[in-house]
Amino acid sequence: DAKTTQPPSMDCAEGRAANLPCNHSTISGNEYVYWYRQIHSQGPQYIIHGLKNNETNEMASLIITEDRKSSTLILPHATLRDTAVYYCIVRPMTTDSWGKLQFGAGTQVVVTP
Amino acid sequence: NAGVTQTPKFQVLKTGQSMTLQCAQDMNHEYMSWYRQDPGMGLRLIHYSVGAGITDQGEVPNGYNVSRSTTEDFPLRLLSAAPSQTSVYFCASTKNGFNSPLHFGNGTRLTVT
Repeated sequence: DAKTTQPPSMDCAEGRAANLPCNHSTISGNEYVYWYRQIHSQGPQYIIHGLKNNETNEMASLIITEDRKSSTLILPHATLRDTAVYYCIVRPMTTDSWGKLQFGAGTQVVVTP
Repeated sequence: NAGVTQTPKFQVLKTGQSMTLQCAQDMNHEYMSWYRQDPGMGLRLIHYSVGAGITDQGEVPNGYNVSRSTTEDFPLRLLSAAPSQTSVYFCASTKNGFNSPLHFGNGTRLTVT
């Protein structure tokens, strides 16, 4: 399974965009890029996912490079409630691997007033 | 819309005791799974199910049992608790194993003394 690399921490000012990078240089063709976040003592919360095209939903945007070796999660207007650990994972879409998630250390994002 | 509900939120057991962690989802998801989260270890898959009456082992199944009698419920049983089972347990569900995100409950924090 492909692994991901993220910066350990990032600060962001409230109201500004937060751009979270992720490297996944060994990603294979049948693996999606997923982003989750975990606020202290809560369960991981799904944010967004994509295969090769850029994606946007009500929470965030996901930009995937053309070679798929890296991606960026964009929180357009960070709020204090966005303070959390953000995980970038690659998830194989095979019948026997759907539940296996390799959460790395993630990026601790702190949004400041 | 409750999503994935886990009970209890906290539990303290003595070594050798047994208990059941409850998990219920109201999204009519076929796929459900159990994970444990330990510091520095990410999420590890314990057991999973692809539908009522079907269960299978994940990465760390020893000491745990599951059953899936209905689509909604997927309880996790600890047969004889050990201190090594002290962890935070998360239940998750997804519509299918392909291109659909996992939705997590808020976890059960278990301490075995």
